[in-house]
Amino acid sequence: AQKVTQAQTEISVVEKEDVTLDCVYETRDTTYYLFWYKQPPSGELVFLIRRNSFDEQNEISGRYSWNFQKSTSSFNFTITASQVVDSAVYFCALSLNQAGTALIFGKGTTLSVSS
Amino acid sequence: DSGVTQTPKHLITATGQRVTLRCSPRSGDLSVYWYQQSLDQGLQFLIQYYNGEERAKGNILERFSAQQFPDLHSELNLSSLELGDSALYFCASSVEVNSPLHFGNGTRLTVT
Repeated sequence: AQKVTQAQTEISVVEKEDVTLDCVYETRDTTYYLFWYKQPPSGELVFLIRRNSFDEQNEISGRYSWNFQKSTSSFNFTITASQVVDSAVYFCALSLNQAGTALIFGKGTTLSVSS
Repeated sequence: DSGVTQTPKHLITATGQRVTLRCSPRSGDLSVYWYQQSLDQGLQFLIQYYNGEERAKGNILERFSAQQFPDLHSELNLSSLELGDSALYFCASSVEVNSPLHFGNGTRLTVT
């Protein structure tokens, strides 16, 4: 069975701190895709990144970076120098390379950044 | 703006009633997905359509049904509503399987 676990329910940091959001996934498939989405207080879900299972290169986009490690089935997300605007719920998600399957979300991590 | 349009934004109705939620996907996207977000269950996949045909089914109750029309817009019908159906219902669309999903702003359903 496929599963995504975000063990951190809530994280609180002060502005300019670095923060890492953990994501652990389970699947027996060799081809799969991992995603991160952000849900700010306004409620919409915003796509951040997609990685496929064959690409373990870390990715950096501005203050955001992602660390994908197949050996530990993890796809962690780090925000460097956090800002108040980063306050949101962050979801990690998994999809399989099969027709008839859909995106499976973790429970989300609520990040609160205070000034 | 994701390009996915959901209406209405808010819906308040009574138990036992039936409602219809509407979704217009991004231009060019053939797949439409429906998700339910509640505090206790998180984001739950309900159903997916691709170019008018049902492609995948998740934890969708028998009281719920959906369809995708020839113009690719989709409707989610919820009937015999219960208090527990109160949730945020998201529609998303994508170009193809495993493409990123682009979500609408959701419809907040409150059943009283």
